[in-house]
Amino acid sequence: NAGVMQNPRHLVRRRGQEARLRCSPMKGHSHVYWYRQLPEEGLKFMVYLQKENIIDESGMPKERFSAEFPKEGPSILRIQQVVRGDSAAYFCASSPTAWNTATNEKLFFGSGTQLSVL
Amino acid sequence: SQQGEEDPQALSIQEGENATMNCSYKTSINNLQWYRQNSGRGLVHLILIRSNEREKHSGRLRVTLDTSKKSSSLLITASRAADTASHFCATDAQDTGNQFYFGTGTSLTVIP
Repeated sequence: NAGVMQNPRHLVRRRGQEARLRCSPMKGHSHVYWYRQLPEEGLKFMVYLQKENIIDESGMPKERFSAEFPKEGPSILRIQQVVRGDSAAYFCASSPTAWNTATNEKLFFGSGTQLSVL
Repeated sequence: SQQGEEDPQALSIQEGENATMNCSYKTSINNLQWYRQNSGRGLVHLILIRSNEREKHSGRLRVTLDTSKKSSSLLITASRAADTASHFCATDAQDTGNQFYFGTGTSLTVIP
């Protein structure tokens, strides 16, 4: 049972280009979370998705950022017109059920995508 | 913001010694989790403690929770070089549910 798979591992983009980050959750997991980590900082929540639905995007910047989790295929975090401030490590996590008080599920993290904007 | 804060920011100890890391948070929680992150890798779950629990053990890990002080501590006993990593606490917030908040982490270095 493979873990959470993220690709690419490293992504270099020039300012103004688009970045697409992919996340395949663990088998059987239908809940995906995206986090961003700046150097020397903790993880900042961005968005929580279930299959075909965005449940909570309160941590997502209003412009240029979007996320999807289609019925088939991986979850995609898309950043349009990247700027230098977007440079960070982006982590995806998955869980089999919703992370809430009833289940107290832990999250399984991928190894992240390091985005560098030149 | 609910984001927690770990203390100290960095800790360096000799192999075999105990390491204690602390976490403080701001609002009421349902539970608190500790994660470890090796350099350049994703986070790995270590232990979860619920808001109605005061202490929990798992192998060489001992975590305490004081909800009156809004703080938690993680104790790693008989440390090993492989424990070298950043350690984060993560809390939910009682009224949000969907997301949980990570602290800024304690960087632990265990010297062989």
